[in-house]
Amino acid sequence: DSGVTQTPKHLITATGQRVTLRCSPRSGDLSVYWYQQSLDQGLQFLIQYYNGEERAKGNILERFSAQQFPDLHSELNLSSLELGDSALYFCASSPRDTSISPLHFGNGTRLTVT
Amino acid sequence: DQQVKQNSPSLSVQEGRISILNCDYTNSMFDYFLWYKKYPAEGPTFLISISSIKDKNEDGRFTVFLNKSAKHLSLHIVPSQPGDSAVYFCAANEMYSGGGADGLTFGKGTHLIIQP
Repeated sequence: DSGVTQTPKHLITATGQRVTLRCSPRSGDLSVYWYQQSLDQGLQFLIQYYNGEERAKGNILERFSAQQFPDLHSELNLSSLELGDSALYFCASSPRDTSISPLHFGNGTRLTVT
Repeated sequence: DQQVKQNSPSLSVQEGRISILNCDYTNSMFDYFLWYKKYPAEGPTFLISISSIKDKNEDGRFTVFLNKSAKHLSLHIVPSQPGDSAVYFCAANEMYSGGGADGLTFGKGTHLIIQP
């Protein structure tokens, strides 16, 4: 158990809809990272927050947004969903604001857009 | 353009033998490399890392080798055990040049199967 909790585990929704994925980091970790894993792809970095502030951005679409709350949990909002957004979305946390310290990943949210 | 490449989607090795997983990178700014292991229905877990100031790092049965001139790294598992069957991801970051602040760049993974 990594200590990182992601909810929900599965999500099925229709094109054009909006969903929110939630992540609770490991106790004491200040950084939260979001990654997307599409079919047969590696993990693609989306965005990082550190202690409530956006720290780094990767290949995150404008239709996607995220935030980290004062209690350090994070939410990833995906809107105007398209079929291609179907993927596994992982959240990871670490104590520092650098991803070279080992990241602790949750078990992911599987999003299916129909 | 893939900056971290794992060209073998799968690898089958007999239990007790050595497993060698390979990874190539194209971005010369990468200076810190990590291996993560992933079981089905779970998130990746950190395995071992190496910075560009070293060419080898060892942790128990796991050794990572880095060849900077070839932009190549490999993970050796000796001896291979059934519990090592998993998907292994190679990842890279710009620690010294970029402060490590950006997210990791991952390869697509290699599925290692250990046969009894």
